[in-house]
Amino acid sequence: GAVVSQHPSRVICKSGTSVKIECRSLDFQATTMFWYRQFPKQSLMLMATSNEGSKATYEQGVEKDKFLINHASLTLSTLTVTSAHPEDSSFYICSATGWGLAGGGSYEQYFGPGTRLTVT
Amino acid sequence: RKEVEQDPGPFNVPEGATVAFNCTYSNSASQSFFWYRQDCRKEPKLLMSVYSSGNEDGRFTAQLNRASQYISLLIRDSKLSDSATYLCVVNQAGTALIFGKGTTLSVSS
Repeated sequence: GAVVSQHPSRVICKSGTSVKIECRSLDFQATTMFWYRQFPKQSLMLMATSNEGSKATYEQGVEKDKFLINHASLTLSTLTVTSAHPEDSSFYICSATGWGLAGGGSYEQYFGPGTRLTVT
Repeated sequence: RKEVEQDPGPFNVPEGATVAFNCTYSNSASQSFFWYRQDCRKEPKLLMSVYSSGNEDGRFTAQLNRASQYISLLIRDSKLSDSATYLCVVNQAGTALIFGKGTTLSVSS
């Protein structure tokens, strides 16, 4: 299957600092990337949808000024958590999709390995 | 009503058992359906897509009933390594995946 990488895999930062998470599609061009967040024992919750070259679309309740998303190329999207607070501690996962991944008309999505953010 | 609903379980079964998970979705415009598997503290991994005609992959069989907006996953001859959370997922082409909360399976020897 397609490969999506995320960096870093784990980060611990102090309250008030900013953290950037990178999501890369390694062997396909990702027309759309999605950012999810998962708290312990909860399902993945979509934060925003990012299309290459355009502004991200944020889900209701997600602050766009706090979670900055940039999708400058077909292989890279970044999520920056600005002025992080302990309540932002979570598992952040990106996924990417592009036409033709599944060999047909399906928009299968492939997930990065996730980034575990801990804000102290 | 949640968009994708699953019985959270946990389902505790012995090795070799057959276990079935069910899922319902609320958006009749949904076009694609999947089962993902998520191990503890890991990202979800695609287990299989679900097609209207039903499909099988080894010990795993998925069924879709569009009229009832119902998806199922059957696991035969359960292995210890099948222990995980199984996520029912739906979406429309090009849009984000909508996840159920997942059903936890624990297979014991």
